[in-house]
Amino acid sequence: GAVVSQHPSRVICKSGTSVKIECRSLDFQATTMFWYRQFPKKSLMLMATSNEGSKATYEQGVEKDKFLINHASLTLSTLTVTSAHPEDSSFYICSARSPTQGAATEAFFGQGTRLTVV
Amino acid sequence: QQQVKQSPQSLIVQKGGIPIINCAYENTAFDYFPWYQQFPGKGPALLIAIRPDVSEKKEGRFTISFNKSAKQFSLHIMDSQPGDSATYFCAASYPGSRLTFGEGTQLTVNP
Repeated sequence: GAVVSQHPSRVICKSGTSVKIECRSLDFQATTMFWYRQFPKKSLMLMATSNEGSKATYEQGVEKDKFLINHASLTLSTLTVTSAHPEDSSFYICSARSPTQGAATEAFFGQGTRLTVV
Repeated sequence: QQQVKQSPQSLIVQKGGIPIINCAYENTAFDYFPWYQQFPGKGPALLIAIRPDVSEKKEGRFTISFNKSAKQFSLHIMDSQPGDSATYFCAASYPGSRLTFGEGTQLTVNP
């Protein structure tokens, strides 16, 4: 399957600082990328949908000023957690899909980023 | 109507057993049903997927059974191994939509 690379895999930051997470589709062009948050022993919770060249669409309850998403190219989307607080500590996962051609297409996931805010 | 309900929440089997995980959906517009496997600290990995035009799909030891009329689909793992111990998520989507995930099933395969 296609490869989605997410970086970093782990990050520890101090309260009040910002952290950037990168998501790259390595062997296909992803017009749409998704950002998820996952709590322990829970399912993936969609935070936002990122479309190349346009503003991200955030799910209800997700603060867009806190979780800044940029999809500057067809292979790169970034999630910046601004002014991080301990409650932002979580597992963040990105996903990428190739352009839809008729039927729904496969989604490929990055390795995830474990964010710990101290 | 966007929900996908997954059961059981957790499952323990012995090596060689055949765990079965079930999912049910409501939205008849869904036309793509993948299963993902996730190990602790890792992102989900696509395991196998099915579309509604077939009732069964096999890839190695993994089989999806699909019942369109009942709006249900299930994952069977043949000859399960301890290395299959992971969390499994079913999902569904239709063209242009995001994936809707089930709640996940934590599978433990004992040696």
